[in-house]
Amino acid sequence: EVQLVESGGDLVQPGGSLRVSCSASGFNFRTSAMHWVRQAPGKRLEYVSGINYNGVETRYADSVKGRFSISKDNSKNMLHLQMNALTSEDTALYYCVKDLGVAGLTYIFHYWGPGTLVTVSS
Amino acid sequence: QSVLTQPPSASGTPGQGVTISCSGSGSNIGRNTVNWYHQLPGTAPKLLIYTNNQRPSGVPDRFSGSKSGTSASLAISGLQSEDGADYYCASWDDTLNGPVFGGGTKLTVL
Repeated sequence: EVQLVESGGDLVQPGGSLRVSCSASGFNFRTSAMHWVRQAPGKRLEYVSGINYNGVETRYADSVKGRFSISKDNSKNMLHLQMNALTSEDTALYYCVKDLGVAGLTYIFHYWGPGTLVTVSS
Repeated sequence: QSVLTQPPSASGTPGQGVTISCSGSGSNIGRNTVNWYHQLPGTAPKLLIYTNNQRPSGVPDRFSGSKSGTSASLAISGLQSEDGADYYCASWDDTLNGPVFGGGTKLTVL
């Protein structure tokens, strides 16, 4: 069974940094592309970032480009999102998502974790 | 304002059918495939339909998707109480160069 469990969400001050992580199991993480999708309270889903199976290809939404960095540790089945220069606009539930495809980024979001809440507030 | 436009709400009674629309443009739905997700209250989204009309394993055939021009539709037949959820369409947008989601449609099963 595919399991994705996010962690690291917290209350952080504007301008601060935070790293959220996702522990994956139940599938071949090494050959899977992964994503982060977020959802602000009561709002629509918003794509954040994605990474292909070996980390060579990454993509970022314009809203986070230059501030967020995605990484994948295939030896530990872990996905990370380093978030810097946080603003209130980044307050959201951050979902770790497994891509439907094999290796590459298809942007079909197959399995989702329960999410980790990031709150940016003073 | 979402790139993909969905009606904010829809409703139906058990056993009925309902259709949820998703309107886009030539830079997204007009050139790319559409995926649908549903999200039960307080839970993570789940993939419902991908590549316009494909169902992942485990999704009942009561759910079907279609695309025509710059619009897509999700049809649900034989409504069940557990179908009450938020439904989101998604597609790739060539202008924004990234995936985009609709604003979501809240389906109420009366």
